[in-house]
Amino acid sequence: DTAVSQTPKYLVTQMGNDKSIKCEQNLGHDTMYWYKQDSKKFLKIMFSYNNKELIINETVPNRFSPKSPDKAHLNLHINSLELGDSAVYFCASSHATSGGSQETQYFGPGTRLLVL
Amino acid sequence: LAKTTQPISMDSYEGQEVNITCSHNNIATNDYITWYQQFPSQGPRFIIQGYKTKVTNEVASLFIPADRKSSTLSLPRVSLSDTAVYYCLVGSGNTGKLIFGQGTTLQVKP
Repeated sequence: DTAVSQTPKYLVTQMGNDKSIKCEQNLGHDTMYWYKQDSKKFLKIMFSYNNKELIINETVPNRFSPKSPDKAHLNLHINSLELGDSAVYFCASSHATSGGSQETQYFGPGTRLLVL
Repeated sequence: LAKTTQPISMDSYEGQEVNITCSHNNIATNDYITWYQQFPSQGPRFIIQGYKTKVTNEVASLFIPADRKSSTLSLPRVSLSDTAVYYCLVGSGNTGKLIFGQGTTLQVKP
């Protein structure tokens, strides 16, 4: 069974379109994240939700809007797609955000977005 | 959050021990050191975490000197399947925010 799954795996679209990426985790975790990985392999956190509440919101354009219908799902909606949005987007989850150590984060397989 | 510096790439041969060192001069008292591995076309995967001295699991060892300003990930007897990008991360668990650097691309050759 896949612990953290994302759909779609590949997404090719035109500039200006609106698209969504879905993420689901079956680990029973309380916290979910979205990361963006650019062509140079830098992985940057975008958002984090804990029990459906936003707890991390990095400097991300307003065109990106996460939505968490329940704690097992964190979807990413992107409006008015731009060329620079092309990247691999990873969803991740962890048990919690607090504690004496960094909680292990479990990553999905990634969604490769190409904006033409 | 402490910034980390690690070599961009390393080459090794099958059966060798590989040591990847990460510098984190500004590490805070409550920061832990964590390493993730990322295979091509996959998400990062947790390898090991430590606070000080030495930690060992079935995959790797992590050596942390007393000043904690650096750490070394040791992979014993690597195989071709260990070819991946290895990320060193430093931070506390208070926010869950992981800061990934550029990582070290390890290429294992036959």
